[in-house]
Amino acid sequence: AQRVTQPEKLLSVFKGAPVELKCNYSYSGSPELFWYVQYSRQRLQLLLRHISRESIKGFTADLNKGETSFHLKKPFAQEEDSAMYYCALGGGFQKLVFGTGTRLLVSP
Amino acid sequence: NAGVTQTPKFQVLKTGQSMTLQCAQDMNHEYMSWYRQDPGMGLRLIHYSVGAGITDQGEVPNGYNVSRSTTEDFPLRLLSAAPSQTSVYFCASSYSIWLADTGELFFGEGSRLTVL
Repeated sequence: AQRVTQPEKLLSVFKGAPVELKCNYSYSGSPELFWYVQYSRQRLQLLLRHISRESIKGFTADLNKGETSFHLKKPFAQEEDSAMYYCALGGGFQKLVFGTGTRLLVSP
Repeated sequence: NAGVTQTPKFQVLKTGQSMTLQCAQDMNHEYMSWYRQDPGMGLRLIHYSVGAGITDQGEVPNGYNVSRSTTEDFPLRLLSAAPSQTSVYFCASSYSIWLADTGELFFGEGSRLTVL
């Protein structure tokens, strides 16, 4: 079965500090992984996908198949990064399985 | 271009009542889906559709019905509401049915449902 685990419900950091949001997955096939973000009073939206190997708003995520992880990182957090972050696994082609989410709070 | 539109935004029901959450998209997306969001449980897939006339169950389909008569609309029906269905419901669509490749879902603003 496909499963996504985000162990932290809340991550609180100060502005300028590094951020790492953890995501681990369970999937027997070749995984496709994504990060979604929901800012306050905005819709849930795609932040980045592992296949693109892109950096969005300073965030990057590397797929580590050995550790079955897809952690989201940013070297210097900004207050506008405060949001709910969801890791998602593309399982069975036509479904996305989401983790439980991590709320990131960046304080000044 | 409105994107994905959900109505109503808020609804209070009594146990046993039925209702329909409406979802419409104007992007000509083939793929549409319904998720529920509960504290500590993240987003769970209820039902999805890969085109008009085609629907399938997700992770938590019990107590919900869907139909897809047009590309644009994907209503979610609660047949006999229960307190366990108190949740925030999200409709989402995608231009590709192969989510494993694209992963890009476009979400509605959500509908908060309370069942007393």
